[in-house]
Amino acid sequence: ETGVTQTPRHLVMGMTNKKSLKCEQHLGHNAMYWYKQSAKKPLELMFVYSLEERVENNSVPSRFSPECPNSSHLFLHLHTLQPEDSALYLCASSQATGYGYTFGSGTRLTVV
Amino acid sequence: ELKVEQNPLFLSMQEGKNYTIYCNYSTTSDRLYWYRQDPGKSLESLFVLLSNGAVKQEGRLMASLDTKARLSTLHITAAVHDLSATYFCAPATSGTYKYIFGTGTRLKVLA
Repeated sequence: ETGVTQTPRHLVMGMTNKKSLKCEQHLGHNAMYWYKQSAKKPLELMFVYSLEERVENNSVPSRFSPECPNSSHLFLHLHTLQPEDSALYLCASSQATGYGYTFGSGTRLTVV
Repeated sequence: ELKVEQNPLFLSMQEGKNYTIYCNYSTTSDRLYWYRQDPGKSLESLFVLLSNGAVKQEGRLMASLDTKARLSTLHITAAVHDLSATYFCAPATSGTYKYIFGTGTRLKVLA
């Protein structure tokens, strides 16, 4: 399988739940990213991993916790989220930081 | 801080017409990307522009870059309904994570 795969595609969770989003890339890319896309807001960069090391954390609340166990996999662990965290969460990868992205299909998250 | 502005934010146009989307950014970058997003879908890469004066064309879309003016344009020629989508520009600098997406331009082509 090629490209960037995100699971699940849709997720509904309560504010007290703990869930994880998964992203997998088979492109041999060295950088992976999490973005948040909300209605009426620009794409917001959340986390950047380069060669499995986190290199950027854009002041994201601690209820979002990323994990990059290897260069092909990226997780976003979620706990005690708020309704305003409902959004489309996009994973992307690139050959290196600053290069063109390949995006996954996204996870549509709804916090109830 | 890198800021990216696109205009217009919304564009409704008739099939067969031409129009241009503008992307202005605030700091120097050595490349610029254009992406397309269909409703409910993810982003798809369209173009990468790597130098001042670069021009890329794909079908009815043509993108150009003026690094001195910090301006990129996406020109639509003889629009068709299939071009309806949101278009994002993203200036970037290789080797860094200074990669900011513009606000997006939502294009609707009317039959």
